[in-house]
Amino acid sequence: DAGVTQSPTHLIKTRGQQVTLRCSPISGHKSVSWYQQVLGQGPQFIFQYYEKEERGRGNFPDRFSARQFPNYSSELNVNALLLGDSALYLCASSLFLAGRARETQYFGPGTRLLVL
Amino acid sequence: DQQVKQNSPSLSVQEGRISILNCDYTNSMFDYFLWYKKYPAEGPTFLISISSIKDKNEDGRFTVFLNKSAKHLSLHIVPSQPGDSAVYFCAAEIGGTSYGKLTFGQGTILTVHP
Repeated sequence: DAGVTQSPTHLIKTRGQQVTLRCSPISGHKSVSWYQQVLGQGPQFIFQYYEKEERGRGNFPDRFSARQFPNYSSELNVNALLLGDSALYLCASSLFLAGRARETQYFGPGTRLLVL
Repeated sequence: DQQVKQNSPSLSVQEGRISILNCDYTNSMFDYFLWYKKYPAEGPTFLISISSIKDKNEDGRFTVFLNKSAKHLSLHIVPSQPGDSAVYFCAAEIGGTSYGKLTFGQGTILTVHP
């Protein structure tokens, strides 16, 4: 089975531009989470989506938005890019069946965004 | 506010010896803890997890210990292998409405020398 896939792998943008990152979860997984990893730090939670609804949001400005589609894939959008948005953006998927035992999040390889 | 901390940026170990990676947390609401391994140009790979109702969990060469009173967990790798060289992240989660929100430490770079 294919793992979590993300596109594109690398992206270069300039300040003020907008970017859309894409994620396809593992087949059968209904939950997608997005994380930002700045160089030298651990991943930081941005959003979680389950059944096409936002279930959690981290401490990120409104310039960051996301959505989940009926096939459970997801897009992360960042508007008005700043230099500080340069990072590795990671997508993770899980089964996330409410009431079940804790379920592991499986990460994709990430999209590396450079803002110039 | 760093709620999960890995105070050792790097660790160097000889092949065959034990590797011990440490992690401290401040939020007593965390009730589930995980370790991930990350190679360059790849996403984090799940290694092992532990619930707050346990103090130890083993999976092959990997064992995670949890000391709730000290708010400390550690990952033991025995024996260490050169292929274990990677960045190791500990992560924590709060149950209930915060399912799926992992809080990560800064990571520890493990180097296992042949």
